[in-house]
Amino acid sequence: AQSVAQPEDQVNVAEGNPLTVKCTYSVSGNPYLFWYVQYPNRGLQFLLKYITGDNLVKGSYGFEAEFNKSQTSFHLKKPSALVSDSALYFCAVRSNTGGFKTIFGAGTRLFVKA
Amino acid sequence: DSGVTQTPKHLITATGQRVTLRCSPRSGDLSVYWYQQSLDQGLQFLIQYYNGEERAKGNILERFSAQQFPDLHSELNLSSLELGDSALYFCASSEQGAAGNTIYFGEGSWLTVV
Repeated sequence: AQSVAQPEDQVNVAEGNPLTVKCTYSVSGNPYLFWYVQYPNRGLQFLLKYITGDNLVKGSYGFEAEFNKSQTSFHLKKPSALVSDSALYFCAVRSNTGGFKTIFGAGTRLFVKA
Repeated sequence: DSGVTQTPKHLITATGQRVTLRCSPRSGDLSVYWYQQSLDQGLQFLIQYYNGEERAKGNILERFSAQQFPDLHSELNLSSLELGDSALYFCASSEQGAAGNTIYFGEGSWLTVV
């Protein structure tokens, strides 16, 4: 069965500092990994995805994520946080076996303080 | 704007009633997904359709049903509503059923059961 864990309910970071939002996953088969962001009262917006190839994936708004197969992780990072990055972040995983369910983590709330 | 359109945006109804949520996918997208987002259970995958056929099923209650029509729009029917069904219901779509395709979300339909 597929699963995604976002171990931190909340991450606090000062503006200008680097940020990391953690995600670990469990799938059978090859993983397809996604990050989404949700602003209040809005739908989820796609940030980036890992399909294959380079382990460092670059996405929207300066975000990037690093795929680590041995640690089954896909952490979201940004070198310099902005107050406007404050939102709810979701990691998601899909496998190429057993159907096409996309399973989302519980979400991590990011607070960036000015 | 993701291109996924959901109606209605807000709905208030009484327990025991039935409602229908409607979704128009992005132009050209063949896959439609339904998710339920609630405070206590996060983002739950309900069901996926691909070109009119059910593709994958998640935690969808027997009181809920969905379908995708020949014009690719989809409807989620919720019946015998209970207070616990109050949630934000998202529709999402992707180009095909391939595992690497990005899912794009609509803005959601807020359902309040009173």
